[in-house]
Amino acid sequence: SQQGEEDPQALSIQEGENATMNCSYKTSINNLQWYRQNSGRGLVHLILIRSNEREKHSGRLRVTLDTSKKSSSLLITASRAADTASYFCAPRAGYNTDKLIFGTGTRLQVFP
Amino acid sequence: DTGVSQDPRHKITKRGQNVTFRCDPISEHNRLYWYRQTLGQGPEFLTYFQNEAQLEKSRLLSDRFSAERPKGSFSTLEIQRTEQGDSAMYLCASSSRPTGGISYNSPLHFGNGTRLTVT
Repeated sequence: SQQGEEDPQALSIQEGENATMNCSYKTSINNLQWYRQNSGRGLVHLILIRSNEREKHSGRLRVTLDTSKKSSSLLITASRAADTASYFCAPRAGYNTDKLIFGTGTRLQVFP
Repeated sequence: DTGVSQDPRHKITKRGQNVTFRCDPISEHNRLYWYRQTLGQGPEFLTYFQNEAQLEKSRLLSDRFSAERPKGSFSTLEIQRTEQGDSAMYLCASSSRPTGGISYNSPLHFGNGTRLTVT
């Protein structure tokens, strides 16, 4: 298993702006997942992108994956105050073990 | 889908006491995971089950920690002789293994955790 590393550690923006978070990992993967965590709550799965996919959309979320650079990005368009949360990426190798390893996340603050 | 349920939501205990947490996964999910999270950090993997079998346990987990899933449904996590360093949020998650599908494409569904404070 491997851990994703999110960047930046913290991000502050105004409502309506776009937010971009990046994730890097070290070895080959089967898929990469993004999760959101509101303060004091559990994680919520946002989106999964497979290694043979380059881009995926879900509502205001856009995820890209570049396996040659071992990196992924999460873009939240037209952000809202309710998007304030921590965001984690979780690369998944898919063999030998079925656990997800999380990094320290990106803490996003969206000001009204 | 009633979601993953964890009990209690909060637990305050004195150092040296034993505590037990319970997790009820989504009913059709056969995989169950325990994570621990401290302030400002991401969730740290502790252990996971497929049905009643404990398939992996973190090397970070001391002998004071034990988890069970006796009937392949709910799970308990026990911490014996608690220490102040055990203070954290303990998260449970579950996932399904689709018939004929690939398990590692299944997302994890998390509960809202049990916050443990050891005084």
